[in-house]
Amino acid sequence: DAGITQSPRHKVTETGTPVTLRCHQTENHRYMYWYRQDPGHGLRLIHYSYGVKDTDKGEVSDGYSVSRSKTEDFLLTLESATSSQTSVYFCAISETPNGLDSPLHFGNGTRLTVT
Amino acid sequence: GQSLEQPSEVTAVEGAIVQINCTYQTSGFNGLFWYQQHAGEAPTFLSYNVLDGLEEKGRFSSFLSRSKGYSYLLLKELQMKDSASYLCAVRGRAAGNKLTFGGGTRVLVKP
Repeated sequence: DAGITQSPRHKVTETGTPVTLRCHQTENHRYMYWYRQDPGHGLRLIHYSYGVKDTDKGEVSDGYSVSRSKTEDFLLTLESATSSQTSVYFCAISETPNGLDSPLHFGNGTRLTVT
Repeated sequence: GQSLEQPSEVTAVEGAIVQINCTYQTSGFNGLFWYQQHAGEAPTFLSYNVLDGLEEKGRFSSFLSRSKGYSYLLLKELQMKDSASYLCAVRGRAAGNKLTFGGGTRVLVKP
């Protein structure tokens, strides 16, 4: 199994509060991703990183920011949580940097509820 | 951009064969992936196709037709543990090795 740890696994927060989710990998892989999964929408990319301090937006990036100060850690921040951000958040890493046939491997997810 | 379509649910009996279809549209193509996801768990990688044809891995096979924008996942000798959602995903030519996912097909295996 790919060494990916997400924390926390579950979180309940109130509307308007900032929230940070952490993804930690032990594989030393270059690419890391944050997806959210909602019923009827499947997995949608929020942000991704292709190296330390190198990040880019995905298809649903509004309301989210990311940071990557070390290869092993990729943080996702909800600046001011809204109920529409209630979701399951998955972090993923790419098995082989720049390998087009490399699948993504996913962490166990964080279930976030915004009340 | 990319878009993918999958049926929402398929039901089959234990021991049967089930085919899950995925149609896609993409600007540039660098492969199609299939994932399995049990309820409450993370998606796990099943297969990858980049050339036309069938790839077989034990009870699971995946087929690709690039000209038709079409793939399917074939599950043979269904077992109860195969009850899960199956997600297809496509990799385009944009930077970042990103995958765009379909909505997933829930497979329910009945005894």
